[in-house]
Amino acid sequence: AQKVTQAQTEISVVEKEDVTLDCVYETRDTTYYLFWYKQPPSGELVFLIRRNSFDEQNEISGRYSWNFQKSTSSFNFTITASQVVDSAVYFCALSEATDSWGKLQFGAGTQVVVTP
Amino acid sequence: KAGVTQTPRYLIKTRGQQVTLSCSPISGHRSVSWYQQTPGQGLQFLFEYFSETQRNKGNFPGRFSGRQFSNSRSEMNVSTLELGDSALYLCASSLVASGGGATDTQYFGPGTRLTVL
Repeated sequence: AQKVTQAQTEISVVEKEDVTLDCVYETRDTTYYLFWYKQPPSGELVFLIRRNSFDEQNEISGRYSWNFQKSTSSFNFTITASQVVDSAVYFCALSEATDSWGKLQFGAGTQVVVTP
Repeated sequence: KAGVTQTPRYLIKTRGQQVTLSCSPISGHRSVSWYQQTPGQGLQFLFEYFSETQRNKGNFPGRFSGRQFSNSRSEMNVSTLELGDSALYLCASSLVASGGGATDTQYFGPGTRLTVL
């Protein structure tokens, strides 16, 4: 069963608009980590943010912010004032304690297209 | 500090052949994980190695195997290649896959794009 769901296949925005990416996860573990990665056309997955299951504090880092809500099993990610360089596929991923920390379970990804 | 390196970057093989892909983790990182990315199945976990031991394996046939050396470098091997093995193979390393702290973040290499004809 899919443990990480990214319902949005593609989002298109004009530069400077905000973009919010949705991620819903499923786990029975009480200890787990959630991640967001970015994959530009070059193919390399770039780490963006990480959150553990005990810390629901939402933060802002530069143009990135995230909203982690355990009550709804959601870990949404927002890019503020998008730029063309933000165009990429964004993946949400889950790592569970009862599995191994070295195993990431990814969602299907959301393609973000930012046009000038 | 140098990132994760993977060689070769591109590979073309024919059905029935075997292939070996190599991954050098970030210096000091002891855990290496491998993933397969295809348009149809997305990103799927293959296996994870830590201190030369396979700690976890994904749902792939036995044709897929791997190993890790004492210097943490890792290789994965695919025998008897099939057309469906065409994919981007990504390697990731983390400092210590222990379940605690920021050190467990996985950092990915550029991948090896394998095409099976």
